[in-house]
Order: sequence, then structure tokens, then C-alpha cells
Amino acid sequence: DIVLTQSPALAVSLGQRATISCRASQSVSISRYNLMHWYQQKPGQQPKLLIYRASNLASGIPARFSGSGSGTDFTLTINPVQADDIATYYCQQSRESPPTFGGGTKLELK
Amino acid sequence: QIQLVQSGPELKKPGESLKISCKASGYTFTDYAMQWVKQAPGKGLQYMGWINTQTGKPTYADDFKERFVFSLETSASTAYLQINNLKNEDTATYFCAIGEEAVDYWGQGVMVTVSS
Repeated sequence: DIVLTQSPALAVSLGQRATISCRASQSVSISRYNLMHWYQQKPGQQPKLLIYRASNLASGIPARFSGSGSGTDFTLTINPVQADDIATYYCQQSRESPPTFGGGTKLELK
Repeated sequence: QIQLVQSGPELKKPGESLKISCKASGYTFTDYAMQWVKQAPGKGLQYMGWINTQTGKPTYADDFKERFVFSLETSASTAYLQINNLKNEDTATYFCAIGEEAVDYWGQGVMVTVSS
């Protein structure tokens, strides 16, 4: 299985930029498609899709969220961070079966 | 709009079985495989597998090949997750979900507590 590694936590100030990383144990890209996706989860709620295929904003997601990366290294950027963005963020790959999730990065206020 | 509505919380004893449901609406049920994801308390998301809603064939991730059964009631646009011989480590929230590559839609989750 492809293992996705995320830092457990990131402290950020409101109004600043947050950069959350995800590293895959092997490439999750096929041709020009980067099969990495990002989710936001708040306590007691289901995850919400933010970014699909590494850099595409899901429907209804604010433009302060963006994604980048290819191969094995991917980044979710939130700029500027707002209070409503305090949550845990997960990456997920769909390059190989089974799909796997990263361990999650908890975004905290500095 | 697409909705996945799951059944309510469960409290069970070790060794018992349970079956939780996921009712889909707002789309053609057979257009998407139904996926299942486990989240233990305070932990991350763990992919359990999926069931092909056209053929009924389930596929389980390695950690879920025993005691876990995915099934369908297609006429009712409903998917089920059955867990047999419950263990304390099955205590978790279980989500049903659909999507092509990314998971676009999630159920609200079912909290399952296994305790003697």
C-alpha cells in the first residue's frame, strides 16, 4: 500500500499562510494526472473534499485554499488562514488500490 | 442534491454483531461504488474498502477481510456494513462515501461503541 506521511500539527496565526505537506512512499502521478486529494475535517463532522487531483478546487471551496505538487510531494496552502479553517487536514491518494489517507495534520492557532 | 444518510449510533458488547445502513439519494445508486471508511476515536481515516453497486462485488482492504461484510439493497438505494464478532478495537465512527477518484460525498458517520 502507498503510505502517505503528514506532519501531525501546524501552528499558524490568523491572517497568515499555512502550508501543509504530504509525502507519498511512491509516485501517485499518472501522466499529467496527480491522484492526490485533500480533505478538511472538523470535530464531530464528516470530512469535506477541498482539493482533487492535487490542484483542483472542489465545488464551493473558497479560493484561499490551493494545492500543488506532483510525484511524491504535495502541498495544501491556506492563505490567509481564517478562524473557520481550524481543523484537521488529510491527504488521500487514489493512484493505487486501496486508496490510502495520510495521518492528518491538525491546524492550530499560534 | 446528493445525500448519504446513515443509521444511528450503536452500543454493543464484544462478540455481538451489528449492521449499519447508508441510504443514498439525489443520484442513480448504481453510478458509484459505495466506499467505507473507519475513524477510531482521536485517530485518522482508514479506508475499509468498497462495494460495486452494479455487481454487488465487495472489495476489502487487508485489515477488513475478516468479520466485515459489505452488502446492498439496490431497490432501496441502501448499502450496509455488517461487523461480526465485535471487538473493543472496532469502537469507531464508520463513514459511507462515494466519488470517482476523490471522495466527493460522505455520510454523517455512525458511532459504534463496543464495551462489556
